Amino acid sequence: GENVEQHPSTLSVQEGDSAVIKCTYSDSASNYFPWYKQELGKGPQLIIDIRSNVGEKKDQRIAVTLNKTAKHFSLHITETQPEDSAVYFCAASINDMRFGAGTRLTVKP
Amino acid sequence: GAVVSQHPSRVICKSGTSVKIECRSLDFQATTMFWYRQFPKQSLMLMATSNEGSKATYEQGVEKDKFLINHASLTLSTLTVTSAHPEDSSFYICSAQWGGSPGETQYFGPGTRLLVL
Repeated sequence: GENVEQHPSTLSVQEGDSAVIKCTYSDSASNYFPWYKQELGKGPQLIIDIRSNVGEKKDQRIAVTLNKTAKHFSLHITETQPEDSAVYFCAASINDMRFGAGTRLTVKP
Repeated sequence: GAVVSQHPSRVICKSGTSVKIECRSLDFQATTMFWYRQFPKQSLMLMATSNEGSKATYEQGVEKDKFLINHASLTLSTLTVTSAHPEDSSFYICSAQWGGSPGETQYFGPGTRLLVL
């Protein structure tokens, strides 16, 4: 089955800096890669997603890149703000969705 | 984005009792719903996948007789934890998907925190 690895497990940045979170997946047939943000005590919220026929997607301060050959995809957050602090999960989907272990992002004011 | 609700948001129960958690898609019809469990500081672990009108498919290691799932309509799925024990204490999260095909977006509910005493 699909295996998703996510790095780093924790990330601390200064407000205004960029943050990058990386994920790799094992099944080359996976075709959908969403990113979720989870705040403490809440359910995950979809923040951006990308499909395998696209290499990059951007939505304001958030962007995702996908390298199908290398089987990795990354989340980029620019101009980080304290409210970006949360746990971020990547996922890869073929028949069902498999999640990475999560990255706890802390943005220091 | 689509809205998914869960009820209750928090429940405390005694060991041996059963607890029912509801998951509703509020503004779309969910062909498929998923149930996840999340322990503190861990990722989401898929428990089961349910399609409207059919039996749920459980992940390996998840007891189907203990975690009863019903998906009777396109907007409602329920998870019943039967004879709950302290080790069942966890954060249970559902998600809903519009279509039944792989690669459809999943929208998550806010989660239900279960504490079994």
